[in-house]
Amino acid sequence: GNSVTQMEGPVTLSEEAFLTINCTYTATGYPSLFWYVQYPGEGLQLLLKATKADDKGSNKGFEATYRKETTSFHLEKGSVQVSDSAVYFCALPRGTAGNMLTFGGGTRLMVKP
Amino acid sequence: KAGVTQTPRYLIKTRGQQVTLSCSPISGHRSVSWYQQTPGQGLQFLFEYFSETQRNKGNFPGRFSGRQFSNSRSEMNVSTLELGDSALYLCASSLGAGVNNEQFFGPGTRLTVL
Repeated sequence: GNSVTQMEGPVTLSEEAFLTINCTYTATGYPSLFWYVQYPGEGLQLLLKATKADDKGSNKGFEATYRKETTSFHLEKGSVQVSDSAVYFCALPRGTAGNMLTFGGGTRLMVKP
Repeated sequence: KAGVTQTPRYLIKTRGQQVTLSCSPISGHRSVSWYQQTPGQGLQFLFEYFSETQRNKGNFPGRFSGRQFSNSRSEMNVSTLELGDSALYLCASSLGAGVNNEQFFGPGTRLTVL
């Protein structure tokens, strides 16, 4: 089945710093790719997605580009805020059928004022 | 539109007991998936239901089971609880049956097994 690897955390940044969280995947075909965010004590929220190669997903200042040639979907934000502190998960469909996702291990981001 | 709701939010059980967790999907969503989240194993897929049928199952022992009702609400059951079953159990719903559908997650049920 499909799989995903993302950089381990924690990542600690100062407010207004640039953020990159690396994500690479192995997949059959060209599935949609997702970034989810989990705030303390909560479930997962979809942050952004891309459905085909070279698509750029964006939301709340975060961006990620679906790179087929490097099988990557790195998450970036130009200027992080304290409120961005959370755990970020890269994900893609587990296989070629069904509503199941496989997730990376998660990257904890801590932003200091 | 109400989001995915899960009940209860917190549970404490002892080894050997059984537990039932409930998930109500977003209105109109027919697909429900369950995941287990632990610090050691991360997020792992448990099972997926669509229109009352289990379509897929993850690599979990038979002590883990589930079902979906005609109103799309879903329950999962864990029998003969073990300490290692302590986890956050997340439910997600999707509108359709396709592989690239967006999944909407509930807040989870935190299960502690003593």
